[in-house]
Amino acid sequence: AQSVSQHNHHVILSEAASLELGCNYSYGGTVNLFWYVQYPGQHLQLLLKYFSGDPLVKGIKGFEAEFIKSKFSFNLRKPSVQWSDTAEYFCAVNFQTGANNLFFGTGTRLTVIP
Amino acid sequence: KAGVTQTPRYLIKTRGQQVTLSCSPISGHRSVSWYQQTPGQGLQFLFEYFSETQRNKGNFPGRFSGRQFSNSRSEMNVSTLELGDSALYLCASSDPQETQYFGPGTRLLVL
Repeated sequence: AQSVSQHNHHVILSEAASLELGCNYSYGGTVNLFWYVQYPGQHLQLLLKYFSGDPLVKGIKGFEAEFIKSKFSFNLRKPSVQWSDTAEYFCAVNFQTGANNLFFGTGTRLTVIP
Repeated sequence: KAGVTQTPRYLIKTRGQQVTLSCSPISGHRSVSWYQQTPGQGLQFLFEYFSETQRNKGNFPGRFSGRQFSNSRSEMNVSTLELGDSALYLCASSDPQETQYFGPGTRLLVL
């Protein structure tokens, strides 16, 4: 079955610390990969996406993610977090089976302490 | 460009009632998807509409239905509401590359 895993449920960091959030999926075929962010009281916003090409993709607000096909992973990174990065982060996968629906991970709540 | 809009933003219903939620996609987007977000189950796909046709459906009971109009606006309906239907219902519209952009959601509380 197709599934998406985010192993970190809650991450607490101090400002300026580096961030890496894990995302793994269970499918060996072609996938489209996304990271979305949900700031408190706001709607889901697209951070970045990977369809093909360079496996290192850059998104908004200094975020980047690396697609490692052999590990079925798409980890999100940021070299130096800010208090304003406090939010919930969702990894989502479109398993290219002809259906345009996203499978979401359970989300990682990030708390950045000033 | 205006984003995805959803109405109403908040709704309180009682068990057994039915509810209709509305979504207006980003201009030019023809695909609209619906998701249910709950603390226990996370984000789950309900269905997708494209050019007024349901193209995909998730694993939800038949009480959940939807439709899409010729202007790409979409509605979803839940009949015979149950307590477990309390959730945030999200609508997303897709660009031609199938990147989904989400609206603010409708928070439904069933009493």
